[in-house]
Amino acid sequence: ILNVEQSPQSLHVQEGDSTNFTCSFPSSNFYALHWYRWETAKSPEALFVMTLNGDEKKKGRISATLNTKEGYSYLYIKGSQPEDSATYLCAFSLTSGTYKYIFGTGTRLKVLA
Amino acid sequence: GAVVSQHPSRVICKSGTSVKIECRSLDFQATTMFWYRQFPKQSLMLMATSNEGSKATYEQGVEKDKFLINHASLTLSTLTVTSAHPEDSSFYICSATKSGTGGYNEQFFGPGTRLTVL
Repeated sequence: ILNVEQSPQSLHVQEGDSTNFTCSFPSSNFYALHWYRWETAKSPEALFVMTLNGDEKKKGRISATLNTKEGYSYLYIKGSQPEDSATYLCAFSLTSGTYKYIFGTGTRLKVLA
Repeated sequence: GAVVSQHPSRVICKSGTSVKIECRSLDFQATTMFWYRQFPKQSLMLMATSNEGSKATYEQGVEKDKFLINHASLTLSTLTVTSAHPEDSSFYICSATKSGTGGYNEQFFGPGTRLTVL
C-alpha cells in the first residue's frame, strides 16, 4: 500500500513567523509531487508541481523543495500572514499514464495575528 | 484559468434515497475526471476515475452499483449515491485534468459536497 505522510498535522504560528512542513512519499515509481493550499469552503488551489530531484519552486513567500531519492518534500512559508491560514495538501503521482494522486492528510496551518 | 464547480455544496437526505452530485469544468474541456471521498481526519481517497464517453474505473473496495458515475460530456461528470445510508455520509470532491496540458497530470478541484444521510 502506497502511503503519503504529512507532518505536522496542524500548527499555529504567529504572524511574521516562518514555518515549514514535510511531505513523505514512496521513492519508487515517482512521477510528480503536487502541493495544494485548501481554504475552508473553497477548492484546493494548486501551488506547485515538482518532478525532478533537487527541484526548488517559489511563489511569493511560499517555496518548496523536492528529494525524490529519499522521498520527501518541504514546503516553506516565509513571514506567515493570517491569509496563509489553510490546509496544505501534498499528493504523489506514480509513473505517467495513470493520472492518479495519492494524498497525504494535510497540514492545517493557523496564523495568529 | 481552470475552474471546476460542484453542486450541491451541501446535501442532507433520508436513508434509502439517491443523491446526485454534479462536477463541471467551467472554462476547459476535461479529458478525465476523478471522484474522491474524505472521512474526518483522513486523506482524500480516490473512488473512481472517469473518462468522457466510457465507463468509470473504480478503486478497489468502491461499489460501482452504489456509486454511479456518468461522464457524458467533456465538461460534466455526475456521481450518484444510490440508496444512501448513514455510513455514506462524507465529503465528496471531484477533480479534472485538462486536455493538452502534456505535462504532469495536474488536477483541478471543485469545492466539494458535504453529504449527510439521516
